[in-house]
Amino acid sequence: EVQLVESGGGLVQPGRSMKLSCAASGFTFNNYDMAWVCQAPKKGLEWVATISYDGSSTYYRDSVKGRFTISRDNAKSTLYLQMDSLRSEDTATYYCARQTEGGLYLLTGYFDFWGPGTMATVSS
Amino acid sequence: VQMTQSPSYLAASPGESVSISCKASKSISNNLAWYQEKPGKANKLLIHSGSTLQSGTPSRFSGSGSGTDFTLTIRSLESEDFAVYYCQQYNEYPLTFGSGTKLEIK
Repeated sequence: EVQLVESGGGLVQPGRSMKLSCAASGFTFNNYDMAWVCQAPKKGLEWVATISYDGSSTYYRDSVKGRFTISRDNAKSTLYLQMDSLRSEDTATYYCARQTEGGLYLLTGYFDFWGPGTMATVSS
Repeated sequence: VQMTQSPSYLAASPGESVSISCKASKSISNNLAWYQEKPGKANKLLIHSGSTLQSGTPSRFSGSGSGTDFTLTIRSLESEDFAVYYCQQYNEYPLTFGSGTKLEIK
């Protein structure tokens, strides 16, 4: 059974940093791209970042480029999101998701498994 | 690619059929997925590639469309179907979602 469990959320002041983790199990972690998706309170889903199966490629939404870093440790089957220079608008529940390749010629994909999420609140 | 989802709210009774629309700001071929969000549960992938049911998705769900216009149809609504639904395009980065449709019991 595929399981994704996020951790590391909490309350942090604007301008500070936070690192989220996602422990994966039940599948061969290093065969899949992985992603973070967020959801601000009472808002919709927003893709944050994706990392390729081997960590060689990363993709970010514009609003987090230069502030957030997605990484992975395939030996530990763990995905990370380092969030620096946090802003109040980064307040959200952050979901870890397994990203399955969308097609033969696509570098993108859809999210076939999700974690329950971890809440990050940025406030003074 | 901007995804415009409608309606944002939908009320229906068990046994009825409903449709949710998702329009892309440019052609995304059939690179579209639909998700279900329920409180206390992990988000669930229902459909990918516009119309392919994910394993475990009941056959009362169907997806159609390609290019810019897509539809999620749920036939013979059951109580467990009342939830929030999102579309998502994966034709290119940045990956983008529709704004969601809340399906409530009438």
